[in-house]
Amino acid sequence: QKEVEQNSGPLSVPEGAIASLNCTYSDRGSQSFFWYRQYSGKSPELIMSIYSNGDKEDGRFTAQLNKASQYVSLLIRDSQPSDSATYLCAVTFLSSGSARQLTFGSGTQLTVLP
Amino acid sequence: NAGVTQTPKFQVLKTGQSMTLQCAQDMNHNSMYWYRQDPGMGLRLIYYSASEGTTDKGEVPNGYNVSRLNKREFSLRLESAAPSQTSVYFCASSEGAGRVETQYFGPGTRLLVL
Repeated sequence: QKEVEQNSGPLSVPEGAIASLNCTYSDRGSQSFFWYRQYSGKSPELIMSIYSNGDKEDGRFTAQLNKASQYVSLLIRDSQPSDSATYLCAVTFLSSGSARQLTFGSGTQLTVLP
Repeated sequence: NAGVTQTPKFQVLKTGQSMTLQCAQDMNHNSMYWYRQDPGMGLRLIYYSASEGTTDKGEVPNGYNVSRLNKREFSLRLESAAPSQTSVYFCASSEGAGRVETQYFGPGTRLLVL
């Protein structure tokens, strides 16, 4: 059973703080990892993708991947109220038979307090 | 460039009725997907089409059928709707080339089955 686990939250941080979102996955063979942001009532939109161990930075967002620990995280620096949303972790499992299938976690709801 | 479009945006059905959800993309993508999202859960893959003329089952295909009408369009049909199919349905597309690629989501169809 392919699993992607996230803390459902809600996670609340004050404006300007660092928000840390975590995700673990079950398949050691997974190679591709994604973070999607979903505002209430809207569709998911891609924030970050990461394929190699280490950190990947894009503006205020940093994705961190540790394949040995089967762990991927998203850091949001200088959090803004507009970052308040649900963040979905998604993982490609090789056992799916197709590299294009994503398995999503249930999401972490983030609230940034003004 | 509209991206991924879905119709209808909202639908109410009675148990046993049938309906087809329509999805179209104008990004010349090869791969298309149908997901459902239930409260407190991530997206679950129903069916996908890696390329025109092919379709495959995802994680939760029971009660659904799909048609890849052409490269642009991918429809999802509920032959006999059940209350358990009340959900938000998202269509997505991706280039379908290479190991993995970004999936772009439509705005969603909210379905209520009474």
